[in-house]
Amino acid sequence: GDSVTQMEGPVTLSEEAFLTINCTYTATGYPSLFWYVQYPGEGLQLLLKATKADDKGSNKGFEATYRKETTSFHLEKGSVQVSDSAVYFCALSSDMRFGAGTRLTVKP
Amino acid sequence: DTEVTQTPKHLVMGMTNKKSLKCEQHMGHRAMYWYKQKAKKPPELMFVYSYEKLSINESVPSRFSPECPNSSLLNLHLHALQPEDSALYLCASSQVGDRDRADEKLFFGSGTQLSVL
Repeated sequence: GDSVTQMEGPVTLSEEAFLTINCTYTATGYPSLFWYVQYPGEGLQLLLKATKADDKGSNKGFEATYRKETTSFHLEKGSVQVSDSAVYFCALSSDMRFGAGTRLTVKP
Repeated sequence: DTEVTQTPKHLVMGMTNKKSLKCEQHMGHRAMYWYKQKAKKPPELMFVYSYEKLSINESVPSRFSPECPNSSLLNLHLHALQPEDSALYLCASSQVGDRDRADEKLFFGSGTQLSVL
């Protein structure tokens, strides 16, 4: 069945560092791809999404490009802030399930 | 109103108790979900209601009993739980709940932190 594989981390970065969190997917059709973020003590919230190949989702300085040739949807941010510390989940629309999650800690 | 509201925020119960978790949304969404999340793990899908009918049950034990009284409300009835059922229970909603809809996104509540003693 359809699934996502996500680099688990944890990831610890200094403020203003570059962030990449890897996500690859397996799907028989053409699902949408999502990144959700979970801040401490909260539920998940949508960070960004892409609905077809070569689409780029972006929000709050985060970006991810739907790459069909490499079946990937890696999350990137050029300069992270302490407030970005959270757990990030990759997800497929067809599955309503989430990757393992990557805990990001940004230190001042 | 883009909120999914869950009550209570915290619940402690014994293994012989009966309790219920509640979830409410007023976004006109026709699909509602229950997820279970253990510490440092991703949410695990439990149930999906679409148009007030149970459409997905991920082989959840019968001690968890979902109910969708109307399109805005979702309950999870708990009975004879085990300590391993202690977790964060998350409710979510989406417009339709159709896996073939490419643009469906989930709106989550903040969850109920459940402890079973």
